[in-house]
Amino acid sequence: QQQVKQSPQSLIVQKGGISIINCAYENTAFDYFPWYQQFPGKGPALLIAIRPDVSEKKEGRFTISFNKSAKQFSLHIMDSQPGDSATYFCAASNEGGSQGNLIFGKGTKLSVKP
Amino acid sequence: DAGVIQSPRHEVTEMGQEVTLRCKPISGHDYLFWYRQTMMRGLELLIYFNNNVPIDDSGMPEDRFSAKMPNASFSTLKIQPSEPRDSAVYFCASKGGAGGYTFGSGTRLTVV
Repeated sequence: QQQVKQSPQSLIVQKGGISIINCAYENTAFDYFPWYQQFPGKGPALLIAIRPDVSEKKEGRFTISFNKSAKQFSLHIMDSQPGDSATYFCAASNEGGSQGNLIFGKGTKLSVKP
Repeated sequence: DAGVIQSPRHEVTEMGQEVTLRCKPISGHDYLFWYRQTMMRGLELLIYFNNNVPIDDSGMPEDRFSAKMPNASFSTLKIQPSEPRDSAVYFCASKGGAGGYTFGSGTRLTVV
């Protein structure tokens, strides 16, 4: 019940295309859903996050869509660029329960071809 | 702020040796996390602290692993004795209040 399942494992997109990464969770107590971006040799960095009181959050080319009833959320990268090539992790936590630890998905390696 | 600082960046050691990884969290952050990252298992939470107190160490693989946080600005992860299967990238992250973690750049450990 603590798992966060992420798909696909890898993704190849042409420059200018839309990249979509999906995640699903079981624990209905989760109340914080961030996405992290990791470049080779670096630690994961917070990209964008959403809480379950909204269904969508947009920051620049990055959008999170959240479906509470389906217990799913996804990351959309519009106008994908080669510089977006990285590994993306979804995560979830129960901050309302004072548990600070994030549960991470297995990651998606995105390659954007020029 | 310099962010979360980990040292060393790379460590190569022989099997059976003791390894100590170090982390300095962001000042004012009250949570500190140690993660291990491998291709096969992804990001695994090893242990986390709140206000310097270990809260959950259920992810620590075995007794060879230990972690301490003697004060709010320093934590160590020790492996004794080290084994080749411990080879991985070890990340420290800190968090203050609601919101996401800030990760360090990691320590790449190779045990030969």
